[in-house]
Amino acid sequence: AQSVTQLGSHVSVSEGALVLLRCNYSSSVPPYLFWYVQYPNQGLQLLLKYTSAATLVKGINGFEAEFKKSETSFHLTKPSAHMSDAAEYFCAVRPWGSYIPTFGRGTSLIVHP
Amino acid sequence: GAGVSQSPSNKVTEKGKDVELRCDPISGHTALYWYRQSLGQGLEFLIYFQGNSAPDKSGLPSDRFSAERTGGSVSTLTIQRTQQEDSAVYLCASSGGTENTEAFFGQGTRLTVV
Repeated sequence: AQSVTQLGSHVSVSEGALVLLRCNYSSSVPPYLFWYVQYPNQGLQLLLKYTSAATLVKGINGFEAEFKKSETSFHLTKPSAHMSDAAEYFCAVRPWGSYIPTFGRGTSLIVHP
Repeated sequence: GAGVSQSPSNKVTEKGKDVELRCDPISGHTALYWYRQSLGQGLEFLIYFQGNSAPDKSGLPSDRFSAERTGGSVSTLTIQRTQQEDSAVYLCASSGGTENTEAFFGQGTRLTVV
């Protein structure tokens, strides 16, 4: 069975500061990994995905994530936070051979002026 | 339509009533998922369809919950005899059905049981 752990239910940063949202996964087989963003009263929107090509994945809105197999991690980063980045972020894992993504509990990103 | 469409967007119902939630996936997507999102609980998997079949319905919390999909397209999630703990946002997603494609989500139905 697979699982996803997102460390920190809330992360607070100042505008212009580095954003780091942590995601660790467990999977018995190689995984596909995803980051989604959810703005208030909206569904989830894909930010980026890892599908076994490059380990450093670039997504929309300046976000990127690095797959580290040895650490079973897929942390999401952005060099400089904008106020518009304030939202809920979800990490998801889908093992090879499975069609069902498992989601973490989410991390709420708060951006201070 | 261009995206996943869910209706209604909001539903308030009395405890004990039945409700039906509808999902229109992206045209051509063979895989369809239902998730439940409760405050602070992340996304809880309910059921997965491939075409009209549900190979995995392990997440349905009780026999009050059921879902069907017809014509490989529209899906309906039915909750019978609703309880207050059923209050949540119900999210539908669809994907192309291959392993490395992502799921595309609808905006959800917010269900409130009073």
